[in-house]
Parts: sequence; structure tokens; C-alpha cells
Amino acid sequence: DTAVSQTPKYLVTQMGNDKSIKCEQNLGHDTMYWYKQDSKKFLKIMFSYNNKELIINETVPNRFSPKSPDKAHLNLHINSLELGDSAVYFCASSQSGEGTGTYEQYFGPGTRLTVT
Amino acid sequence: TQLLEQSPQFLSIQEGENLTVYCNSSSVFSSLQWYRQEPGEGPVLLVTVVTGGEVKKLKRLTFQFGDARKDSSLHITAAQPGDTGLYLCAGDKTSYDKVIFGPGTSLSVIP
Repeated sequence: DTAVSQTPKYLVTQMGNDKSIKCEQNLGHDTMYWYKQDSKKFLKIMFSYNNKELIINETVPNRFSPKSPDKAHLNLHINSLELGDSAVYFCASSQSGEGTGTYEQYFGPGTRLTVT
Repeated sequence: TQLLEQSPQFLSIQEGENLTVYCNSSSVFSSLQWYRQEPGEGPVLLVTVVTGGEVKKLKRLTFQFGDARKDSSLHITAAQPGDTGLYLCAGDKTSYDKVIFGPGTSLSVIP
């Protein structure tokens, strides 16, 4: 069974369109994340949800809106796509708490978004 | 400026060679994690180091956390083509509610 899954794997779309990426984790974790990995492979956190509550919202354009219907799912909707949004988007999950293992990230396979 | 720096940025070696990659910061971290990312896949957690001076081994990989918990190293013995990938370190602080990733070291092991 896949621990963290994302759909779609590839997404090619035109500027101005709206698209969504879905993520699900079956690890029983209480925290989920969205990361963006650019062409230089730098991995930057965008959002974090803990038990469906938004706890981290980095400097991300308002066109990006995450939604967490329950603690096993975190979706990312992007409005009015721009060329600069082209990147690989990773969903991840972790189990919060005290001690070793806190924030250890379990990543999905990524969604490669190409905006033309 | 990045909170975590990694060196070297790129490394290409022959199969069987040894190598060390470094993760450095001016900040103290509660723990440091190492991940490996293969092309087309998400990063996979290799190890977490928590205690200053701690050494952990994972087969041919040896991870060390600096005494001051500001830096870490990853040493690979007798590298194999299967070790090829992007190695990322990530640090966490209790106050952050997240981990901060370094820029990565891209390793290529040539058969």
C-alpha cells in the first residue's frame, strides 16, 4: 500500500487555467504539507495542516489555496496558473509530538506541473 | 541566506570510491534528518540524528551529528550506482513547527 499518494503524477496546462492536485496519506499522521521543488531542486514548504487546521502558510500567492477535508487528505488548488508555477509539487505527512521522530517527513511521489 | 548549507553541490565519483557530504548551519537544531531523492520520486527519509556527537550507521552510510548540533555529515563507503541521487539534509527546531531543508547534494556514481 502506498503511504502517501498524489494525483495526478503529471499535469500540463495553459496559463490562466485553474487546476487541483490531490493528496492522501494512510499512515495515520496528523500533519500534512505541501512543498514546491523548483528546477534547482530546492525544496520549499508552502503550507502545513495539523488535524485539518492550517498552521503554516509561507509566502505563497493567494492563487494557491489548500484544503484539508480530513486529516488524511490535503488538496491544493491553483487559480490562474502562471509560467512560474511550473515545478514539482510534493505532498508530505508527519506525526507531531515531542521527542525523536517529530517532523520526520514522508513524501508522496510528486506532481510535475508544466504551465505553457 | 539559507539556514542550512550543503556541500558539495554536485559530486560525481567512480563506483567503489568513498565520499563525504556536509550539512552546515550557524543555528542549533533539535534534530537533523537526511533524505535521499531519486529522479522522478519523492525524498525518502534515511536517518534522524538527535544527540550532539551522535553517529548512526545504515549499511555503507555513516551519519554524524556535530557536537554543537549545528552540522552533520554523511559518509558513504564503497559507493555503488544505486547510491546515485539527491541527498537532502533537513533541520528542525521546536519553535518552527516544520523542518528546513538544505539545497541538497547531487551525487552521481559511475559504474
